[in-house]
Amino acid sequence: LAKTTQPISMDSYEGQEVNITCSHNNIATNDYITWYQQFPSQGPRFIIQGYKTKVTNEVASLFIPADRKSSTLSLPRVSLSDTAVYYCLVGDTPDNYGQNFVFGPGTRLSVLP
Amino acid sequence: DVKVTQSSRYLVKRTGEKVFLECVQDMDHENMFWYRQDPGLGLRLIYFSYDVKMKEKGDIPEGYSVSREKKERFSLILESASTNQTSMYLCASSSSGRKLAKNIQYFGAGTRLSVL
Repeated sequence: LAKTTQPISMDSYEGQEVNITCSHNNIATNDYITWYQQFPSQGPRFIIQGYKTKVTNEVASLFIPADRKSSTLSLPRVSLSDTAVYYCLVGDTPDNYGQNFVFGPGTRLSVLP
Repeated sequence: DVKVTQSSRYLVKRTGEKVFLECVQDMDHENMFWYRQDPGLGLRLIYFSYDVKMKEKGDIPEGYSVSREKKERFSLILESASTNQTSMYLCASSSSGRKLAKNIQYFGAGTRLSVL
């Protein structure tokens, strides 16, 4: 299983762009990279997923370099409501039903006024 | 919207009690998961199920068992609760069989269990 590391916490101010990087040095060829967001007293929810290069949706962008050993979640112009914990998940589709993914430790983002 | 419902938001149990945590999803998903979440440790997978009556161990299955008799329901069982099982428990579901990592997981709100 690909092991992931993330910064424990980050602070930002409203209106700034925030970039959170996840390191996954032993990512496998078939592994996808997925990011989830978790607010207090709620379960995580999906933000974005990618395999290579760049993916963008209405919420965020995901940048994946060519070697895929890291990925960066980019949140444009954050607001107070973006204060949450952000998790990256790396995993693949195996030939059997064994566990094939692991969540990162999470990054606690605090957005300040 | 996908809905994953956990039966309790808060539970307080005594050491040695048998504890059942229930989870129901309404999207006909094949896969269901149980995690525990502890400060500094993130989300750790306890068990998952890819079909009715099928289960697989995750990272930390010791002290837990699961039951999936119907597709929409996945139960986590603590046979004899201990204080080190005090934690937040999260249930999730996703579609399409083996694509555990690629398919989006939908989470419940969590059950905060305290074992005294």
